[in-house]
Amino acid sequence: DTGVSQNPRHKITKRGQNVTFRCDPISEHNRLYWYRQTLGQGPEFLTYFQNEAQLEKSRLLSDRFSAERPKGSFSTLEIQRTEQGDSAMYLCASSTKASSGNTIYFGEGSWLTVV
Amino acid sequence: AQSVTQPDIHITVSEGASLELRCNYSYGATPYLFWYVQSPGQGLQLLLKYFSGDTLVQGIKGFEAEFKRSQSSFNLRKPSVHWSDAAEYFCAVGYNDMRFGAGTRLTVKP
Repeated sequence: DTGVSQNPRHKITKRGQNVTFRCDPISEHNRLYWYRQTLGQGPEFLTYFQNEAQLEKSRLLSDRFSAERPKGSFSTLEIQRTEQGDSAMYLCASSTKASSGNTIYFGEGSWLTVV
Repeated sequence: AQSVTQPDIHITVSEGASLELRCNYSYGATPYLFWYVQSPGQGLQLLLKYFSGDTLVQGIKGFEAEFKRSQSSFNLRKPSVHWSDAAEYFCAVGYNDMRFGAGTRLTVKP
């Protein structure tokens, strides 16, 4: 069990550029989540997938953000035309529904700095 | 609407002392409740969870939490804090779209 893996761990980009983050969930997990966390705050829900279907999106996910999970395995989160306000840690998590409930496991996060 | 309140932004305790971190929630149905811990620059690690049943739940690293429906609370406790417990602690409620509190930063004095 390698846990949830996120790449890159750190990304510095100029304002206006596009960035993409990748998440590899725990292998048997069919649910995948993206959260955003800014300094001094708790994580905020962005979106989640069950297999390849994107089932819910937060209002925080503006038109510049797009997430995909094409084969129901790894996922990508792309931010187009980055703005300084996008600077944050982007957390990916995964889970599988079990009889004991839905426990979500987080990756180490991907830090984005927009300069 | 779902929400989580962690009233204490920062708590300092001496090593070996007991700890209680407060969490109050607002949720329309029977909540799923969680406590996560986060070290600086790292992801979140699950400490414990409550879905149903016994309202006192045990977690990893010697932590426990008690669900009190009448008070809408899910406070985290540890009888004796270790220096390695210094971190940020987050309470969360929900299912797929979890809502997190703002966190409580724990400092441990030698």
